[in-house]
Amino acid sequence: AQTVTQSQPEMSVQEAETVTLSCTYDTSENNYYLFWYKQPPSRQMILVIRQEAYKQQNATENRFSVNFQKAAKSFSLKISDSQLGDTAMYFCACLMDSNYQLIWGAGTKLIIKP
Amino acid sequence: GAVVSQHPSRVICKSGTSVKIECRSLDFQATTMFWYRQFPKKSLMLMATSNEGSKATYEQGVEKDKFLINHASLTLSTLTVTSAHPEDSSFYICSAEGASSYNEQFFGPGTRLTVL
Repeated sequence: AQTVTQSQPEMSVQEAETVTLSCTYDTSENNYYLFWYKQPPSRQMILVIRQEAYKQQNATENRFSVNFQKAAKSFSLKISDSQLGDTAMYFCACLMDSNYQLIWGAGTKLIIKP
Repeated sequence: GAVVSQHPSRVICKSGTSVKIECRSLDFQATTMFWYRQFPKKSLMLMATSNEGSKATYEQGVEKDKFLINHASLTLSTLTVTSAHPEDSSFYICSAEGASSYNEQFFGPGTRLTVL
């Protein structure tokens, strides 16, 4: 069975610090896509960043970057210069090419302190 | 672009009544729509996947007679919770994927259902 694991239920850092959220996944497929979604208190799901498994280069989006280790099946999210608005639940998800369904991690609650 | 709306955002109903939740893709054609349920402080649980013009595919353990899904057009899907009971109270989220979404799902803002 395909699974996504987020081992950090909650994290807290000071504003402007860098924080890394971890995610591991398990799949036997070769073609898949990895996502980090942010769910702020409004509960609107927002895509933060995505990574295609066939791409070796780590994806980056402004202050957000990933460390994609395909062999280790690891997909961590690094947030640089964290801001108060980054406070949210962060979900890691994996979409398999075979069934187009997102497999979700349990989420990490990130709190940015002023 | 790629905006998905849900209506209503909040609904309170009495036990035994039915509630309909609408999910619309506002600026793209959604070939596939997904319905999720989210319990407090938990992750999303996929309920069903629907393609326009065909019957929805329900996940194991989801009662299709209780959660009726209709995907009548490329921009609208509805979820009807029939004969709602307090245990159906939850946060329901829809998402949509278009032909050129490159496997990305766009999420609606969710609907908070409270059954008294």
